Amino acid sequence: KAGVTQTPRYLIKTRGQQVTLSCSPISGHRSVSWYQQTPGQGLQFLFEYFSETQRNKGNFPGRFSGRQFSNSRSEMNVSTLELGDSALYLCASKPGGSLETQYFGPGTRLLVL
Amino acid sequence: GESVGLHLPTLSVQEGDNSIINCAYSNSASDYFIWYKQESGKGPQFIIDIRSNMDKRQGQRVTVLLNKTVKHLSLQIAATQPGDSAVYFCAENIRTSYDKVIFGPGTSLSVIP
Repeated sequence: KAGVTQTPRYLIKTRGQQVTLSCSPISGHRSVSWYQQTPGQGLQFLFEYFSETQRNKGNFPGRFSGRQFSNSRSEMNVSTLELGDSALYLCASKPGGSLETQYFGPGTRLLVL
Repeated sequence: GESVGLHLPTLSVQEGDNSIINCAYSNSASDYFIWYKQESGKGPQFIIDIRSNMDKRQGQRVTVLLNKTVKHLSLQIAATQPGDSAVYFCAENIRTSYDKVIFGPGTSLSVIP
């Protein structure tokens, strides 16, 4: 099976812009979670989508949003970018039940100037 | 915010020696634990997991030990190789309405050839 894929891999934006990141889960996986990884804060949970519905949310401002499509692909959007949004954004997928391992994609490296 | 684990330490090990990476978790209700390995420029990669009804689990060259009394998790890598150099994260899964996964800050393992 193909692994989790994320596009784009690298992105440079300026403050105030918005950005959309994409994630394609492993085939058959219905749960997609997004994480932000920075040197200072580590891996922080943004949100999880399952069957096109957000079922879990972390402590991020409303500028961070997401959605999931019927084929389980997911997008994450960040509006009004700030310098502090520079990070590696990771998505992870799993079948969708409990006590399942998440499998991560390679991440999108976002740099905000 | 919530976190698993200690401050990000660095562990240097001679090639061929055994490595032990430690992690403290925060929630007594956590019922599933996972170790991930993250190499530079890549997403976290699943190594091994353990459920709370176990205290030890072995994989290929890796062993995870769980001590629920003191809320401690460890990853042992036998005969450490240069390819084991990476950041290692422990994660705890808390089953509330849906699974919530919290990652530790990570440990950087450096293998000296």
